[in-house]
Amino acid sequence: QTVVTQEPSFSVSPGGTVTLTCGLRSGSVSSSYYPSWYQQTPGQAPRTLIYSTNTRSSGVPDRFSGSILGNKAALTITGAQADDESDYYCVLYMGSGIHYVFGTGTKVTVL
Amino acid sequence: QVQLVQSGAEVKKPGASVKVSCEAFGYTFTSNYMHWVRQAPGQGLEWMGIINPSGGSTSYAQKFQGRVTMTSDTSTSIVYMELSSLRFEDTAVYYCARSGGGSMSIDYWGQGTLVTVSS
Repeated sequence: QTVVTQEPSFSVSPGGTVTLTCGLRSGSVSSSYYPSWYQQTPGQAPRTLIYSTNTRSSGVPDRFSGSILGNKAALTITGAQADDESDYYCVLYMGSGIHYVFGTGTKVTVL
Repeated sequence: QVQLVQSGAEVKKPGASVKVSCEAFGYTFTSNYMHWVRQAPGQGLEWMGIINPSGGSTSYAQKFQGRVTMTSDTSTSIVYMELSSLRFEDTAVYYCARSGGGSMSIDYWGQGTLVTVSS
């Protein structure tokens, strides 16, 4: 079974920077997994932030950026704002057999 | 603009089936694949499968194979997800979500449909 790992939670101060990661329990994440990132607040549908590793979706502020850091995909929030307090999920494309796997999600608190 | 509008909440008994619809607006229906994703209460997101509305080819997560059927109707721009042999643990919000073409990701999401399995 493919497991995509994320940190359970992070806390960041307003105006601060936080980097969330998305890894594989066995193996390294590269751009060939087309990592994407989604933001979800309670009771709402997810919102697409980043796709294809580092491309921001339409209307997403540039304080959100995606990258590959070492053997993981990463989402960095620079200059965190109160309304960035949400759950964040990554997704990896695993190929035509398994297709897509969501990460376990990271809860970000801004305080 | 792109909109995905899903059918309303459902309550089903264990062993029954549920069929959720997702109507697409604002783009050429057959140009983008459609994912189905679910979220159990207090849990994370779970990928269920994908359908190509043009032709109807599907691919399902192994966990749901044999229980899920995804179909499309190009005359109405609607995709359907039917889940059979429902169990209590199938209680979740089910989302349709448009695939962003060659980006291998999701770009637009439906509002979600709550399916409750209760005796």
